[in-house]
Amino acid sequence: KQEVTQIPAALSVPEGENLVLNCSFTDSAIYNLQWFRQDPGKGLTSLLLIQSSQREQTSGRLNASLDKSSGRSTLYIAASQPGDSATYLCAVRWDSNYQLIWGAGTKLIIKP
Amino acid sequence: DARVTQTPRHKVTEMGQEVTMRCQPILGHNTVFWYRQTMMQGLELLAYFRNRAPLDDSGMPKDRFSAEMPDATLATLKIQPSEPRDSAVYFCASGLGTGSYGYTFGSGTRLTVV
Repeated sequence: KQEVTQIPAALSVPEGENLVLNCSFTDSAIYNLQWFRQDPGKGLTSLLLIQSSQREQTSGRLNASLDKSSGRSTLYIAASQPGDSATYLCAVRWDSNYQLIWGAGTKLIIKP
Repeated sequence: DARVTQTPRHKVTEMGQEVTMRCQPILGHNTVFWYRQTMMQGLELLAYFRNRAPLDDSGMPKDRFSAEMPDATLATLKIQPSEPRDSAVYFCASGLGTGSYGYTFGSGTRLTVV
């Protein structure tokens, strides 16, 4: 069964710290993997997309890595800010199936 | 900025009533998804449309849920009759091509069935 797991479910860190969010998935034959951000009461914003042939993607202070062999992806946030507080979700697409399988998310709180 | 508009933002209804949720995709987008989000199940795909045609609605309980795109500017999700277990946030997303990257999500409809 294709599943996506995110640990921890919640994380609270002081402002300015660098941090890593984890996403693990069963079945290494993925098509791509995406990281999304969700603010309370809002929709989802796509942050980064990593194709199966890629090892990492970067956008500003965000860096996402992919290790298919170990079934893991990490989202690295540098110099965290209170505005980074949100829930971060990982979603995996397997092969050419359009459907995304979602992790439960990590709720991130950055303390000023 | 172009947005996906969902109405209503909040809906409280009694069990057994019909509920209709609406989504206005971004003009020019040819793909529309309906998702449901709950604390217990996370995000679940309910239905998927390409060029207004339903390509997959296997995630929906067929006996009570229906999804349509009467035209390119409107997608609807109906529940009849509604049940308390349908309480969730329902999201619509639109975009171009396959996959969800670059897709824009609406702010959701928070449904409470009492």
